[in-house]
Amino acid sequence: NAGVTQTPKFRVLKTGQSMTLLCAQDMNHEYMYWYRQDPGMGLRLIHYSVGEGTTAKGEVPDGYNVSRLKKQNFLLGLESAAPSQTSVYFCASSSIDRAYEQYFGPGTRLTVT
Amino acid sequence: AQSVSQHNHHVILSEAASLELGCNYSYGGTVNLFWYVQYPGQHLQLLLKYFSGDPLVKGIKGFEAEFIKSKFSFNLRKPSVQWSDTAEYFCAVNAHDMRFGAGTRLTVKP
Repeated sequence: NAGVTQTPKFRVLKTGQSMTLLCAQDMNHEYMYWYRQDPGMGLRLIHYSVGEGTTAKGEVPDGYNVSRLKKQNFLLGLESAAPSQTSVYFCASSSIDRAYEQYFGPGTRLTVT
Repeated sequence: AQSVSQHNHHVILSEAASLELGCNYSYGGTVNLFWYVQYPGQHLQLLLKYFSGDPLVKGIKGFEAEFIKSKFSFNLRKPSVQWSDTAEYFCAVNAHDMRFGAGTRLTVKP
C-alpha cells in the first residue's frame, strides 16, 4: 500500500515552459487535492476534486489546471511556468466518509528560473 | 473565508521542556481542527484532530490539543519534548475547505 505518490520529486523549468505533475493514490479515495507550500505561508489549496471527472478551484488556482480522468490520479498542469510558481507542491487525498482527514504525498519541489 | 494564525514562527526548546504552540482561527461556524507535523525531508502527517465532543484531544507521540471555542483557539501541547520532535507544525481548519496556518518550526536541542 503505497498511499499517495507524486512524480516527479524535483523539477527545474524555464519561464514559459509547461509541465504536468502526477499524483496517484491507491486508497480508493474519492477526494484529491493539490496544495503549494511556500515559506512563511503554510499550505494553500490550488485545486481539488470530489470525484472522477470533477474539479474545483481552491484558494490560489490562477496559472494552474487540473484533470481527474481516473479516480486514482489527479494531474496538475502548468501551461506557462512563471518564477512565482517556484514552490513545493503537495498532493493529498481523503475518503468520502472521512473527508477532512487528508493523506499527503511526499511533495514535488519545482523551481522556475 | 476562514483563516488560521500561528503565532510562533520558530520555537527553540531544550529536551524535556514543555511545549505549547498557539493556533487561532477566524470562522464563526462549525469547524474541524487539525494539527499536522512535517519532519525534515518528509511529507505532512496528521498529529491529531478535533471534530466534536471532548475539547481536549490526544494525538500520537504524547501530543494533545485543546479546543477553546470562545477563544477560537486550538493550541498544541506536549509536557516534555524530545530531540525527535524537531519538525514543522501546521494548524489547519476545515469549514468549507482546508486552510493551513503558516507553520511553526520547532527545534529541540539535545
